[in-house]
Amino acid sequence: EPEVTQTPSHQVTQMGQEVILRCVPISNHLYFYWYRQILGQKVEFLVSFYNNEISEKSEIFDDQFSVERPDGSNFTLKIRSTKLEDSAMYFCASSRYDTQYFGPGTRLTVL
Amino acid sequence: DQQVKQNSPSLSVQEGRISILNCDYTNSMFDYFLWYKKYPAEGPTFLISISSIKDKNEDGRFTVFLNKSAKHLSLHIVPSQPGDSAVYFCAASLDSDTGRRALTFGSGTRLQVQP
Repeated sequence: EPEVTQTPSHQVTQMGQEVILRCVPISNHLYFYWYRQILGQKVEFLVSFYNNEISEKSEIFDDQFSVERPDGSNFTLKIRSTKLEDSAMYFCASSRYDTQYFGPGTRLTVL
Repeated sequence: DQQVKQNSPSLSVQEGRISILNCDYTNSMFDYFLWYKKYPAEGPTFLISISSIKDKNEDGRFTVFLNKSAKHLSLHIVPSQPGDSAVYFCAASLDSDTGRRALTFGSGTRLQVQP
């Protein structure tokens, strides 16, 4: 069964550094998403992407964040200058129609 | 943001019995609802969904009920199995001209099924 994959599974970085989280969505899906879950909190929406552009973003998704689909298979989330509060699990998801399927997540730890 | 609420943080049931997980929402514009199951250190796994034009959807041991007037949905698992032990998230979304919008998640209910 096709699934969303994410790399790396765990990323440790210093505050102020740039990180890129990578995702390979399910191949025939058209919509791509990033969510995050801070420890002990709800899963929160960050951004959705369709037809090579952002279709929706939350107030969390400020100028420090960007997304890109550099080729036909990858979908990336870049955090330009990480802060301590960016430490969280980051989940990529994709959908063809209504149902979003999630990847296993990347645990980002900012020191 | 409390648009989707799961008021029971945990639930414990005996193997073979019914598990009922509840979810309430406040935004009457939500028109698509999903249940996800999550194990520690894994991503949410899709279980079952329901559109607002229906009041029930069934898939094997899982049934989701939607009561739009009460803004309430529930997930029934019958019979419950120890492998069902996980955190269950309710999520809701809106439709838009550009497709499905962001999911709004509840805080989750930890289900423990006792052998």
